Amino acid sequence: AQKVTQAQTEISVVEKEDVTLDCVYETRDTTYYLFWYRQPPSGELVFLIRRNSFDEQNEISGRYSWNFQKSTSSFNFTITASQVVDSAVYFCALRRTGAGSYQLTFGKGTKLSVIP
Amino acid sequence: DGGITQSPKYLFRKEGQNVTLSCEQNLNHDAMYWYRQDPGQGLRLIYYSQIVNDFQKGDIAEGYSVSREKKESFPLTVTSAQKNPTAFYLCASSITGWDGYTFGSGTRLTVV
Repeated sequence: AQKVTQAQTEISVVEKEDVTLDCVYETRDTTYYLFWYRQPPSGELVFLIRRNSFDEQNEISGRYSWNFQKSTSSFNFTITASQVVDSAVYFCALRRTGAGSYQLTFGKGTKLSVIP
Repeated sequence: DGGITQSPKYLFRKEGQNVTLSCEQNLNHDAMYWYRQDPGQGLRLIYYSQIVNDFQKGDIAEGYSVSREKKESFPLTVTSAQKNPTAFYLCASSITGWDGYTFGSGTRLTVV
């Protein structure tokens, strides 16, 4: 069975602080995909990043960066110099590879509040 | 522009009534999904469909039904058998392969 744990239910930071959202996953598969999504108050989930299990390179996109460590089954997300517009719920998700394996398993989400 | 349209945005239902939530996509995606979101529970999979005229139960299918008569459409019916239907419902679609989902903007269902 697959499982995604986001232990931080809610985080509050002051604007311009850095913040890291944790994601730990469990799977018996040797290959899989990991995702991060953002859900603003409007409700629609917005895709942020996907990562193959065989690609452990960290990725940076502007103020966002992702640290994938297969050895600890973690896929953490860091926002540098946070802004009020970053306030949202962030979800980490896991998907199996292989034909027909399209379902995503989501964590329970982390609500980030950036205070001006 | 391509995307997923969910309607209505807000829906109120009396206890004992069935209600159908609409989900339409013009992305030419093969797979479609319904998720339920409750506060503190994350997203849980209700049903999914990988091809027209075929669909599979997800983790919490009891009290729900779906159909997939057209590639573009995947309506979800919340039946009176669903004991606690008040929730936020999200529809999504994806192409085959390893891409992530495209989500609709959701329908918030309230039972009154």
